[in-house]
Amino acid sequence: DAGVTQSPTHLIKTRGQQVTLRCSPKSGHDTVSWYQQALGQGPQFIFQYYEEEERQRGNFPDRFSGHQFPNYSSELNVNALLLGDSALYLCASSLVDGNEKLFFGSGTQLSVL
Amino acid sequence: GENVEQHPSTLSVQEGDSAVIKCTYSDSASNYFPWYKQELGKRPQLIIDIRSNVGEKKDQRIAVTLNKTAKHFSLHITETQPEDSAVYFCAASWDHTGNQFYFGTGTSLTVIP
Repeated sequence: DAGVTQSPTHLIKTRGQQVTLRCSPKSGHDTVSWYQQALGQGPQFIFQYYEEEERQRGNFPDRFSGHQFPNYSSELNVNALLLGDSALYLCASSLVDGNEKLFFGSGTQLSVL
Repeated sequence: GENVEQHPSTLSVQEGDSAVIKCTYSDSASNYFPWYKQELGKRPQLIIDIRSNVGEKKDQRIAVTLNKTAKHFSLHITETQPEDSAVYFCAASWDHTGNQFYFGTGTSLTVIP
């Protein structure tokens, strides 16, 4: 049973570019959350998707957008990249109804030059 | 919104000693408090969690205590081993289903053999 898988594992972009990160949730999970983890900091909540809709959103600008597909996989898009967007982006999945806990992927390390 | 503070930021203990990490939260609506262990370059992994209707929970060498009145919770690791060395994060949320988790800033634990 695969856990949460994310791609790519590493990515280098330049300022102003756009990036798309991908996530496949743990088998059986229907909810995907995205977190940004800056170096030496705890993860910061970006948003959560359930039933292909954005269910909750943290304090991130509109440059950060997402999508969830019918198979529950998800994408995180970031437009107009800034140097400060450099971070580890973590995807986490869970089940809205039930006792399944939040399960994290290994993340995508984004470097903006 | 919720604010989670975590102390200490770094902690060194001798193998076999105990380690204690403390967190405080601000929102009395928070009722789920997980602890994650993150080894270098790896995903955060849930090690123990506690709900607000419970004051203490133990799992082998790991225990968590919660004081709802004071809005603080602590992680206790007994008989520490070198493999316990990692960064530990506390978090607070309304529930376990993936609603926005608010993370502390992390504690880097080093267990000295």
